[in-house]
Amino acid sequence: EAQVTQNPRYLITVTGKKLTVTCSQNMNHEYMSWYRQDPGLGLRQIYYSMNVEVTDKGDVPEGYKVSRKEKRNFPLILESPSPNQTSLYFCASRQGYGGYTFGSGTRLTVV
Amino acid sequence: AQKITQTQPGMFVQEKEAVTLDCTYDTSDPSYGLFWYKQPSSGEMIFLIYQGSYDQQNATEGRYSLNFQKARKSANLVISASQLGDSAMYFCAMREGYNNAGNMLTFGGGTRLMVKP
Repeated sequence: EAQVTQNPRYLITVTGKKLTVTCSQNMNHEYMSWYRQDPGLGLRQIYYSMNVEVTDKGDVPEGYKVSRKEKRNFPLILESPSPNQTSLYFCASRQGYGGYTFGSGTRLTVV
Repeated sequence: AQKITQTQPGMFVQEKEAVTLDCTYDTSDPSYGLFWYKQPSSGEMIFLIYQGSYDQQNATEGRYSLNFQKARKSANLVISASQLGDSAMYFCAMREGYNNAGNMLTFGGGTRLMVKP
């Protein structure tokens, strides 16, 4: 089944403790992206990647890092999480002109 | 200025009736794509339908159709024969440009649709 897999689905962590949210797609898509969804602010792009070793900032990159060492994986790294990074995070991938396929989301709470 | 505007925060529709969710967009790029996504209460984002700016015909996917009026910059989603499972948030989104630079999806604020039995 074609899909984007994110892990974990839920995560509660403490301020300053580094964490990684993993994302993997099995569709051989070139483009991958991370979004965060917040009430009243909608979905905003954090980072995107056009291919292996090619990444760029989206609208809200501060406090996040990404890497694209393999085509299928695009992890999101929070080096020192803060409470304002509490959010619902989505990984997505696409190929060509089509729409993004989204993962199931990761609900992150930073206390 | 908002690039994607969804003016209906919430809507009710009777089961089996059709419903139109509004979306207007703003871009100066001649090449763009418009998307609709459904987000049920479980949280995942489900792709529904896509319309390219150069497409001559309105997109359709099963019970979903997109009423694309380019001159008015509107891309309304029409759901025919509503079902209880259609109750969800619906997001309109746009991607500007067809090259690598046009990679970001810009989302509207969403419309919560509630289907009444």
